[in-house]
Order: sequence, then structure tokens, then C-alpha cells
Amino acid sequence: AQRVTQPEKLLSVFKGAPVELKCNYSYSGSPELFWYVQYSRQRLQLLLRHISRESIKGFTADLNKGETSFHLKKPFAQEEDSAMYYCALLPQGGSEKLVFGKGTKLTVNP
Amino acid sequence: EPEVTQTPSHQVTQMGQEVILRCVPISNHLYFYWYRQILGQKVEFLVSFYNNEISEKSEIFDDQFSVERPDGSNFTLKIRSTKLEDSAMYFCASSRGRPDTEAFFGQGTRLTVV
Repeated sequence: AQRVTQPEKLLSVFKGAPVELKCNYSYSGSPELFWYVQYSRQRLQLLLRHISRESIKGFTADLNKGETSFHLKKPFAQEEDSAMYYCALLPQGGSEKLVFGKGTKLTVNP
Repeated sequence: EPEVTQTPSHQVTQMGQEVILRCVPISNHLYFYWYRQILGQKVEFLVSFYNNEISEKSEIFDDQFSVERPDGSNFTLKIRSTKLEDSAMYFCASSRGRPDTEAFFGQGTRLTVV
């Protein structure tokens, strides 16, 4: 079964502190992994995906196949990073179905 | 920048009534999707639509649900006889399809069944 687990429902840090949002997945093949973000009153939007190996808004995420994890990290959090963050998995092969985690609400305090 | 648009933003309906949720995907996208999010729960896949037919659907997408692309721009989700448990935020999304797998989401329609 395909499953994405985000163990933290809420995460609160101070501005300038490092932040790590955890994501673990369960899938027998080689999925594509994503982080989507939803800022207050805005739509879900793609933050980054593992195949592009980019850093977006200072965030990075490394796919660790051994630990089946795709944690999102930023060394210095900013107040504007406060949002809901969703980890998602796209199975290999023909499926276009995204499997989402429950999300982590990140609050960056001044 | 092109966006996926959904109407209405909020729909209140009585149990047993039919509702149609509307979406205008991004014009050069080929795949269209509906997801839903019950309050406090995860975003769940309902259905994907490609080449004018359903390409994949979840177990949630039973006979009460249907999708249609009635013209070149709109993509609709119909719930025939709403139940209380259909209350959720419904998201439409579209994508170009593989290898470009980025899904673009609409703002969502909040459906409240009373």
C-alpha cells in the first residue's frame, strides 16, 4: 500500500532557527516525491520535487531510499515560511494519483 | 500566470440533493483531477481524467460521483445524492502529464451538506 506519513501535525520555530519537516513514505517501487505548500488563504502549490534537486525559497529535501524518507529542511526559517506543508508521493508507472500526507502546520515566530 | 479556477468557493446543500462543482483547468494541460479534503484529514485523490475519459479513480469515487468535460474548458464533478459525509473541501487540479508531473491546484470549493 502507498502511504505518506508526516508525524508532526504542528511545528513551531523562531525566526532564524533551522527547521526540518519530516516525511516518511511506504511504497515498494521508486516513487516521485514532492513537497506542496499552502500559505494562508492561498492554493496548494508545488514547493519542490526530488527529481529536480533544487533549492526553492531556501528549502531542500533529499530522498533517502534506505530510510524511505524525504524530509524538508531550511537552515534559517523566515516568518513568511509559516504555512501548511504537505509531502506527496506519485507512484512510478502510469498512475497520476498523488498520495498526500496529513500535512504539517509550520509556524515561524518573530 | 495561468491558474486553475473553481466555482463556487462555498456551496451549501441539503442532504440528498445533487451538486455540481465546476473547474476550469489550465488550457494546455491534458490531465485533470479531483481531490477532496475532509476537515482535519489528508488530501485524498478522487479521480483523474485524460483524453475525455476517466483514467483512474479511487474507492471513494463510487456511483454517486461523476465527472464530465462538457466543453473545451470546463471540468465538472457531480455528486448525485449528497450525504453528510461528503462535506469537504474539493480541489480541482490539472497537469501536462508525464514527464512534467507538477499538478496545479485550484483554490477549492468548500461543500457543506446539511
